[in-house]
Amino acid sequence: EAGVAQSPRYKIIEKRQSVAFWCNPISGHATLYWYQQILGQGPKLLIQFQNNGVVDDSQLPKDRFSAERLKGVDSTLKIQPAKLEDSAVYLCASSPRGASNTGELFFGEGSRLTVL
Amino acid sequence: SQQGEEDPQALSIQEGENATMNCSYKTSINNLQWYRQNSGRGLVHLILIRSNEREKHSGRLRVTLDTSKKSSSLLITASRAADTASYFCATDGNTPLVFGKGTRLSVIA
Repeated sequence: EAGVAQSPRYKIIEKRQSVAFWCNPISGHATLYWYQQILGQGPKLLIQFQNNGVVDDSQLPKDRFSAERLKGVDSTLKIQPAKLEDSAVYLCASSPRGASNTGELFFGEGSRLTVL
Repeated sequence: SQQGEEDPQALSIQEGENATMNCSYKTSINNLQWYRQNSGRGLVHLILIRSNEREKHSGRLRVTLDTSKKSSSLLITASRAADTASYFCATDGNTPLVFGKGTRLSVIA
């Protein structure tokens, strides 16, 4: 069974530029998460989808971050414009369970963003 | 805000020794999970313990949960160099999984 795929693995941009990250969850997993992990810290939830609907985006900085999961499979996370403090690893995770019954999450390898 | 708080922040032991990491949390939970993260990689699920369980084993891992103290511990027995990683607890209440800051474990061969 293929795992959660993310791309790109690394991205370096200058502040005020834009960037997009892509995630392909495990086939059949209904719930998809984007987490931000700043160096030395634990992952922080940005947004949770169940199928193509948003369940929780309370911690997503909506003035610069956006995410979508249009067909309930792949997802894209965009940052525009980027700030220095957005330098982090962006982790995508998926779960076969519904949003209200978390269980084990399956993580991708992450996309490391450096903002100069 | 982060729910779990792992202790210690960093731990260095010799191969063959046991490693114990602790996690404290603030609000009621449905379950608590432990994850491992190797440097530069994603998180890997280790074990899940439900709020009505007190202890759970998986291979060399032993997890305890004390809901009255809002705390959990992860014990890795007979550690190996390959166990070198960061370990995170994550709590599942009425919100998506909330992760702590992690314990960085170094196992020296």
